[in-house]
This record gives sequence, structure tokens and C-alpha cells, in this order.
Amino acid sequence: SQKIEQNSEALNIQEGKTATLTCNYTNYSPAYLQWYRQDPGRGPVFLLLIRENEKEKRKERLKVTFDTTLKQSLFHITASQPADSATYLCALVSSGGYQKVTFGIGTKLQVIP
Amino acid sequence: DAGVIQSPRHEVTEMGQEVTLRCKPISGHNSLFWYRQTMMRGLELLIYFNNNVPIDDSGMPEDRFSAKMPNASFSTLKIQPSEPRDSAVYFCASSFMGGSNYGYTFGSGTRLTVV
Repeated sequence: SQKIEQNSEALNIQEGKTATLTCNYTNYSPAYLQWYRQDPGRGPVFLLLIRENEKEKRKERLKVTFDTTLKQSLFHITASQPADSATYLCALVSSGGYQKVTFGIGTKLQVIP
Repeated sequence: DAGVIQSPRHEVTEMGQEVTLRCKPISGHNSLFWYRQTMMRGLELLIYFNNNVPIDDSGMPEDRFSAKMPNASFSTLKIQPSEPRDSAVYFCASSFMGGSNYGYTFGSGTRLTVV
């Protein structure tokens, strides 16, 4: 069956360091992969999208990689700040039909001042 | 635009009662999604509407759940009768053209507690 795996345990990192979050998937052939940020009591907020034929995408301090051979995406936040503390969700967009978006359970990031 | 608007923010109800959740999508978005989020299962798609027509309702748990979208600016998710296992945060999201390229815009959610 299709499965999306994100680190279920929280990731604690020192301010100023690079945070790296992992998203692995099995039994999927996604057309796209998206990353969202979710703060407590709020809905997820779209951050970045990367297509299957793209290796890397950047947006300000964010960088996403997508390896379809390893079936893995890495999400990096450089020069992390306490304001980056949140839960980050990866989402796979299927290549067929209406391009259904399926979410991972998310990884909680805590940036320590 | 005020974003996706959901009401109520919180709902506490007794088992067996009917619950109606409401959503106003972003104007101009033609796709609307209802998701349910729990700690154990994360975000689960319940139903997807495109141009007000239900396209995928395979995630609707059972007949107790129903959803409608009578026009482009309003959708409801109804649970009747409600059960304690329905307790979760319910999100509505909208997008243009299915959201694959641009992501979804989520509302702030309705936290439902069934006692």
C-alpha cells in the first residue's frame, strides 16, 4: 500500500544551524511533491512545490530536494530561527486522475535560541 | 481576500447529535477539499469537489458523513449521528485547478469534540 514517512519524533536544533527534514515514500509515483508548514491551532500553509523532473528547488532560506530513485525528499531550512518552529508536512501529488494530494503526518521542528 | 473561512472554530456535542461544519472557499478557486486531522493518522482527505461537483468521496468514513457544495462559495460537512471517534480537527481547503501546482489554501479548522 502507499505510504509516506516523516520523522515522527520532534527535531530540536540550535538557532543558526541548518534544519533537515526527511520525507520518504513507498508505492507512489508522484508527479509533484509539496511542503507545508503548520502552526498550532492553524491550518497548513503551502511553502514549496518540486516536480519529479527537478532535483532541487530554493526559496529564500528554504531548499527542497527530490530523489525519485531513493523515493525521498529532503527539506532544509538554513540559518534557522525560533520563528521557524512549527510542524512541517510533506505532501505527494499523484500523477494520475485529478492529481490527488496525500499528506505525511509531519515532523515537529523546534529551533532553540 | 479573507482566506478560507470555516465555522465554527470549536464544536462540542453529545454522541448521537447532528453536527454541521461550514466552509467558505477563496473566491475564484474551483476546487474544495475536506480533510480530517488526528494525531495518529494525520491529514486524511474526506471529499474533493471540483466546480461544485463531488469528484472523490472515497475518504468519507461511512454513511454518517455527508458533504454538499450548493454553490461556489459555500460547502458543508455533516455528521449524523456523531460518535466519539469522530473527534478531530476538520479542515476545509480550496485551490485553483486542483492545487497540484500552487498548493492548497487551508482554513483554520473546526475542532470537533464528541462526548
